[in-house]
Formats: sequence, structure tokens, C-alpha cells
Amino acid sequence: GIQVEQSPPDLILQEGANSTLRCNFSDSVNNLQWFHQNPWGQLINLFYIPSGTKQNGRLSATTVATERYSLLYISSSQTTDSGVYFCAVVRYSGGGADGLTFGKGTHLIIQP
Amino acid sequence: DSGVTQTPKHLITATGQRVTLRCSPRSGDLSVYWYQQSLDQGLQFLIHYYNGEERAKGNILERFSAQQFPDLHSELNLSSLELGDSALYFCASSVDRPNTGELFFGEGSRLTVL
Repeated sequence: GIQVEQSPPDLILQEGANSTLRCNFSDSVNNLQWFHQNPWGQLINLFYIPSGTKQNGRLSATTVATERYSLLYISSSQTTDSGVYFCAVVRYSGGGADGLTFGKGTHLIIQP
Repeated sequence: DSGVTQTPKHLITATGQRVTLRCSPRSGDLSVYWYQQSLDQGLQFLIHYYNGEERAKGNILERFSAQQFPDLHSELNLSSLELGDSALYFCASSVDRPNTGELFFGEGSRLTVL
């Protein structure tokens, strides 16, 4: 199956700093999503971005499908940005029924 | 709020027991996906139902089963529970017309097996 690798695995930053999280995948994909899992365990949708660039406030994401990677940018970090960031992809099989394959995540800690 | 509802939020039970987790998808979504998140295995896809029919199986144990009812809610049944089944179980829903669209996750059901 498709492999998803995220880097870095851990990141500790001061409030106000910027960061870039990377997601590499081993094959072409049809869908790609970024999620934030907060300290309470909730998985929050950040971006649905199989290709191109999107922005939402202090967050933006870029997927270069031909080179099999996606980047999540967080600017002016706040303590509420702490948690684990997951990249997840889907590659359609014949039935188009496959679920997302998740990376292991980047654990981000924002210190005040 | 994603619009996906899962119950119960927390569940504590003993080894050998059976539990049922329930999921109501977002209004209009035909697909329900179940995932297991454990410390050692990460987020693992278990099973996918589309409009009442099973469409794909992932790393689901034979002791686990699921179904999707005519009103599109889904249940995940876990039987003969073992300590290693302790995990956070997520349900996600998607429109999927016909291929996998954007998934939205519920808040999860945290299962503790003692």
C-alpha cells in the first residue's frame, strides 16, 4: 500500500514562530488531507488539498502532486496550535472505496 | 463541530466482554469509515460502508464487525476484548459520489479494557 512519511516527528517552538511541516507519499494520490489533533484527541480538518495551494488564516498548505509531497505552513504560532498534525492520503483502487492512509504525524509544542 | 456524532465518548470494560460503538454521519453523507488509534499503531483504517454496503476492509480483526443501517448510522461491534484493544475509535463520514471525498471525523470513542 501507499506509504506516508511526515517530518519532523517533533517540533518545539516559541509563540510567534513560523513552521513548515512536510508530508511525502510513495505513489500518486487522488486525495490529501491535513488534520490537527488537539490535546483532547479531536481530529480537526485543516485542508483538503490533493493539489495546489490553499490558505486559511495563519495556516496554508501546498501539495505538489507530481513530486509526491505536501507542505503545511503555520505562521505566528499560538499555544493553541499545539498538538499533532497528520497528513492523510487516498489512492483510488478500482472500487474507489479506500479509506485515508495516515502518516505518523508531527507533534508540535508551542511554548508561551 | 464536524457534524459526525459518536457515542459513547468513554467506555471502560473488562477483558472478554463485548461493546458496541455508534456513529451518526453528517447529514447527506453516504459513507462511514471506522478508524482505530492506538499508541503503537497510529491511525489505522478498519472498515468502510457506503449506503449500507461494505466497500472496503482494512486492518480489522475477526473479533470486530460493523454494519450500516438504512438510516445510515453505523455500529462497530468489538467482542472478546483484549487489553490491546484499548484505543481511540474514530468514525468518519464523507459524501463519496462515487470516489472518496473529504472525510470528517467524529470526536471518537475512547475504549479502555481492564
